[in-house]
Amino acid sequence: DQQVKQNSPSLSVQEGRISILNCDYTNSMFDYFLWYKKYPAEGPTFLISISSIKDKNEDGRFTVFLNKSAKHLSLHIVPSQPGDSAVYFCAASGSGSARQLTFGSGTQLTVLP
Amino acid sequence: DVKVTQSSRYLVKRTGEKVFLECVQDMDHENMFWYRQDPGLGLRLIYFSYDVKMKEKGDIPEGYSVSREKKERFSLILESASTNQTSMYLCASSPPGRGTGELFFGEGSRLTVL
Repeated sequence: DQQVKQNSPSLSVQEGRISILNCDYTNSMFDYFLWYKKYPAEGPTFLISISSIKDKNEDGRFTVFLNKSAKHLSLHIVPSQPGDSAVYFCAASGSGSARQLTFGSGTQLTVLP
Repeated sequence: DVKVTQSSRYLVKRTGEKVFLECVQDMDHENMFWYRQDPGLGLRLIYFSYDVKMKEKGDIPEGYSVSREKKERFSLILESASTNQTSMYLCASSPPGRGTGELFFGEGSRLTVL
């Protein structure tokens, strides 16, 4: 039973346009959400996060939106660049000192020049 | 610069062999994790440790064990490797408390079991 779901395995976007990656969760105990980016043959790297007390967090070209009632979050990348081509993982955590994360299955983003 | 180092990037083992995957972090982090990444399944937590000699099972601990004898080192052990353990293994660490929730990952160890 996947508690964090990314229903789109892949997404292609033209350079300069907006990329929107979506993530749904089922566990209402999750209160912190993160996005990671992963290039081939490298470990995932942290991109941006959001606490459940907020509905939006912005960092440069990256914005994460959280809709708690729908248990849905999305990552917007504007403008998209070819270097953004990577696998993006959504992750969530609940309370707990070890900060255990539950990951989604990932979305392969391809930004076309 | 923070660093999580996994000892082997690529390994090929035979069914039934014992496999050790080593992970070392230089950030003095309390928490360490082992995940495996498989296509379509994302990252799944195998084991984690929040202190030396402490360990907790994750979502898929069967067929694996771990060892944390020193704070900086967290080892994943496959007692008797099987073909369904062919995967990318990722080690991560984090400091205590919530903070940003960020995990710091190593580059991964790709294990093939024949």
